[in-house]
Amino acid sequence: EDKVVQSPLSLVVHEGDTVTLNCSYEVTNFRSLLWYKQEKKAPTFLFMLTSSGIEKKSGRLSSILDKKELFSILNITVTQTGDSAVYLCAVWDNAGNMLTFGGGTRLMVKP
Amino acid sequence: NAGVMQNPRHLVRRRGQEARLRCSPMKGHSHVYWYRQLPEEGLKFMVYLQKENIIDESGMPKERFSAEFPKEGPSILRIQQVVRGDSAAYFCASSPSGRRETQYFGPGTRLLVL
Repeated sequence: EDKVVQSPLSLVVHEGDTVTLNCSYEVTNFRSLLWYKQEKKAPTFLFMLTSSGIEKKSGRLSSILDKKELFSILNITVTQTGDSAVYLCAVWDNAGNMLTFGGGTRLMVKP
Repeated sequence: NAGVMQNPRHLVRRRGQEARLRCSPMKGHSHVYWYRQLPEEGLKFMVYLQKENIIDESGMPKERFSAEFPKEGPSILRIQQVVRGDSAAYFCASSPSGRRETQYFGPGTRLLVL
């Protein structure tokens, strides 16, 4: 059974700090890894990673995948209170029909 | 270009009643996925549908739960004889094709069973 584990479970930082969120996975036949941000509504798509070592970047957010060590990190620099959310990591297995999600990391950014 | 729509956003039911949750995918998307999120947990896959077909229902409880995606109209997740343990947020996601690509999520329906 595919498995996705995120750490830490929760994190409290102050505005301006940099945070790194972790996602490790065990997947039979890995295809891709996705990051979502979930506030009090729909998870919104951030990144999809398929290849190892290629950083994806969007503003202050960036993410990278390591297919050898089976993990990904999501970095947020110069955090703002609007970054407070649950960040979800999910993987596609080539053999399956669904995304398998991790439990999420709850980030709180204090002013 | 409207995103994925779900209604109702909140639904309260008493034990034993039926709950019907609706999902309209993004325009041009013909693949719909339903997920359930229990409090403080990640999303768990329930069912994957294309128009008029259930492709994968491996995450769906065997009893009381059913899903459909008719030729016309929204996808519907139906829960019969609800129990307190069904209280959760139910999210629908859609994609243009089923080729394991980005899924776009709706705002969810929060079901509370009293």
